[in-house]
Amino acid sequence: GENVEQHPSTLSVQEGDSAVIKCTYSDSASNYFPWYKQELGKGPQLIIDIRSNVGEKKDQRIAVTLNKTAKHFSLHITETQPEDSAVYFCAASIGSGGSNYKLTFGKGTLLTVNP
Amino acid sequence: DADVTQTPRNRITKTGKRIMLECSQTKGHDRMYWYRQDPGLGLRLIYYSFDVKDINKGEISDGYSVSRQAQAKFSLSLESAIPNQTALYFCATSLTGINEQFFGPGTRLTVL
Repeated sequence: GENVEQHPSTLSVQEGDSAVIKCTYSDSASNYFPWYKQELGKGPQLIIDIRSNVGEKKDQRIAVTLNKTAKHFSLHITETQPEDSAVYFCAASIGSGGSNYKLTFGKGTLLTVNP
Repeated sequence: DADVTQTPRNRITKTGKRIMLECSQTKGHDRMYWYRQDPGLGLRLIYYSFDVKDINKGEISDGYSVSRQAQAKFSLSLESAIPNQTALYFCATSLTGINEQFFGPGTRLTVL
């Protein structure tokens, strides 16, 4: 089955700096790659996603890039703020019946933004 | 997300006990999921359901069972709890055709 590796496991940055989290996946059939943010005491929440027919996607201060050849994708957060502090999970999914419901998650990255 | 609720939020139990975790949603979604989260291991899928009569095993279903009592309710049972089932359990929902999953606040289960 699919295997997703996520690095680093912890990341500490100064407020205003950029943060980058990287993931690799094993199954070339994966075609959907979401990123979830989990704040302390809460469930994960989708922040951005990308499909395999797109190389990059941006939403304000966050962006995701995908390299299908190398089978890796990354989350980029610019101008980090203390409220960005959370655990971030990447995931990969092989589509079935036109939808991507079965997600394989990475192990998570604890991002700390220091004021 | 307040639209997906889980009860209880915390539970401590003993080895061998039967435990039921409940999930309710008011989002009108047809698909529901149960995940387990362990420190340093991410989230792993236990069971998922596309509707009341369609229930499927996930990656780690051994030792667990589920019941979809209605479109809005999806329960997870541990028939005979064991210590290595100590974890944080999340329920999630999604709508057919939309990939985004909406997670509940989680249930922290401790098996002594």
